[in-house]
Amino acid sequence: AQSVTQPDIHITVSEGASLELRCNYSYGATPYLFWYVQSPGQGLQLLLKYFSGDTLVQGIKGFEAEFKRSQSSFNLRKPSVHWSDAAEYFCAVGPNQAGTALIFGKGTTLSVSS
Amino acid sequence: ETGVTQSPTHLIKTRGQQVTLRCSSQSGHNTVSWYQQALGQGPQFIFQYYREEENGRGNFPPRFSGLQFPNYSSELNVNALELDDSALYLCASSLGQAVQGYTFGSGTRLTVV
Repeated sequence: AQSVTQPDIHITVSEGASLELRCNYSYGATPYLFWYVQSPGQGLQLLLKYFSGDTLVQGIKGFEAEFKRSQSSFNLRKPSVHWSDAAEYFCAVGPNQAGTALIFGKGTTLSVSS
Repeated sequence: ETGVTQSPTHLIKTRGQQVTLRCSSQSGHNTVSWYQQALGQGPQFIFQYYREEENGRGNFPPRFSGLQFPNYSSELNVNALELDDSALYLCASSLGQAVQGYTFGSGTRLTVV
């Protein structure tokens, strides 16, 4: 079955510290992989996506993610977190078996302490 | 280029009532997908509309239905509302059926009391 696991429900990081959010997936083939960010009461903003090629993907706001096929992982990283990065982060894979949808993880809430 | 617009932003309905949510797709996009995001959960796929036809459906009962119009805008209708229908409903538009090019709207927060 296709699924996404984000093992950390809530993470607190000090401002200026580095960040890594974990994402593991189950998928029958090479998936398309995505990271989205959601601020309170808002929709989803795409941070970055991986389809093929270089396994290290650069995104917006200084984020990057690395696809590791052997570990079925697509972890999100940022070298120095800013207070404005506090939000909910969702990892997603797709498409689903019908080819029409993304499958999301349950999300990781990031808090940033000063 | 306009983004995806959803209306209303919030609404409160009573159990058993019916509700219609609306989505205007981004300029140039011809496909609309709807997702339900319950509190503390990731979005779950409801269905997709392409060329005014339902083009795929998630694990949601028939009381969740939709429409797509010639201008590619879309409606999500939910009949016989239940308390568990309380959620953020997200609309995403794209060019074609592929998931790679989604643009999400800000969502409609539905509360069923």
